[in-house]
Amino acid sequence: GEDVEQSLFLSVREGDSSVINCTYTDSSSTYLYWYKQEPGAGLQLLTYIFSNMDMKQDQRLTVLLNKKDKHLSLRIADTQTGDSAIYFCAEKTGGYSTLTFGKGTMLLVSP
Amino acid sequence: KAGVTQTPRYLIKTRGQQVTLSCSPISGHRSVSWYQQTPGQGLQFLFEYFSETQRNKGNFPGRFSGRQFSNSRSEMNVSTLELGDSALYLCASSLALGDTDTQYFGPGTRLTVL
Repeated sequence: GEDVEQSLFLSVREGDSSVINCTYTDSSSTYLYWYKQEPGAGLQLLTYIFSNMDMKQDQRLTVLLNKKDKHLSLRIADTQTGDSAIYFCAEKTGGYSTLTFGKGTMLLVSP
Repeated sequence: KAGVTQTPRYLIKTRGQQVTLSCSPISGHRSVSWYQQTPGQGLQFLFEYFSETQRNKGNFPGRFSGRQFSNSRSEMNVSTLELGDSALYLCASSLALGDTDTQYFGPGTRLTVL
C-alpha cells in the first residue's frame, strides 16, 4: 500500500540549513515531490525528483533520494524567515496524476 | 500564464445542504484533480478528471461527486453536508503527460459546515 511519513515539526535559526525528511513505502513510485503551504494558501510546487535520480539541486533547494531505503530529504540552504511554512512530501505512482501526501512538516524559522 | 483558480474562496453552509465548488485549470491543462485537506486526515485524494471523464477516484462516499466540462473546467459537488465535511478543498491541474506529469494547485475553497 501507499504511505508517506514525515516528522511533524522543525525549528531552525535564520541563516542555518534546514533538512526535512520523508519516507515512503511504495517502491513503484515514479516521481516524488515537495510542496510548500503558507497559512491560508494552496500548495506551491517547490521541486520534484524522478525515482532514478539520487540528487537534484535547484538554487537553495537540494533533494536527496535514497531509493533503497525509500527515504527522501529536502535541504534548504540559508533558511530565511519567509521559508516558515508547512512542507509536504508527495509520491506519484502509476499512470494517473494522483499524489499521496505525507502529513506535512511545519518549519519555523526564527530570527 | 494564469494559475489555477478556485471559486468561491470561502463558503459557510449548514448540515444537510449541498454545495458546488468550481475550479478553472491552467490554460492547456487537461487533467483536474480534487483533494480534501483537514487537520486530522491531512491531504486526501478525492477524484481526477481527464477529458470530461473521471479516471481515478479516492475513498470518499457517493455524496462527493464531480464533473469536468469540455473547456477542462471542473466542479465538485457535496450533497447532504455533514460537520466532518468542513475542510479546505484543493484543486490541481496538470498537462496529463503520464509519468512526467506535475500538478499545480489552486488556493483552495475553505468550506465550513455548521
